Amino acid sequence: DSGVTQTPKHLITATGQRVTLRCSPRSGDLSVYWYQQSLDQGLQFLIQYYNGEERAKGNILERFSAQQFPDLHSELNLSSLELGDSALYFCASSPSGADEKLFFGSGTQLSVL
Amino acid sequence: GENVEQHPSTLSVQEGDSAVIKCTYSDSASNYFPWYKQELGKGPQLIIDIRSNVGEKKDQRIAVTLNKTAKHFSLHITETQPEDSAVYFCAASKGSNYQLIWGAGTKLIIKP
Repeated sequence: DSGVTQTPKHLITATGQRVTLRCSPRSGDLSVYWYQQSLDQGLQFLIQYYNGEERAKGNILERFSAQQFPDLHSELNLSSLELGDSALYFCASSPSGADEKLFFGSGTQLSVL
Repeated sequence: GENVEQHPSTLSVQEGDSAVIKCTYSDSASNYFPWYKQELGKGPQLIIDIRSNVGEKKDQRIAVTLNKTAKHFSLHITETQPEDSAVYFCAASKGSNYQLIWGAGTKLIIKP
């Protein structure tokens, strides 16, 4: 158990809808990262937050947004969903702002039908 | 920008044999190189990492070697076991103000 909690584990929705994925980092970790992993694909970095502030942005679509709350949990909002958004979404946390020793959650499997 | 190439994409080895996965990076300023293991249905897990001031690091059956001149680093797994079957990702970073750049992953299959 990495100590990173992601909910829900599975999400099935329709095209055009909006969903919210939630992540609770390990106790004491200040950074939260969001990654997307499509079927048989690698890890695509979406966005990083550090202590409530956006720190780095990767290949995140404009339809996607995220935030980190004062209690350090984070939410990833996906809107106007398309079939191609179906993927496994991982959250990771680390103690500092550096991309080192990331602890990943078990992911949210999103299926857009 | 930085690019990390990982080979092979799939590796099948007999149980008990060794496995080697190689990654090549493009930015000579990269100084941190972690390896992550992703088991089926789980998130990636850090298994070993190395910094550019070290040429080799070992942890039981796994080791990572770094060749800064050639800009490549490799993961070595000896005496492979069924539980080593997973997807392995390498990554590289230039430091605390830079993102990790990930390789595409290697699916390691351990044949009984």
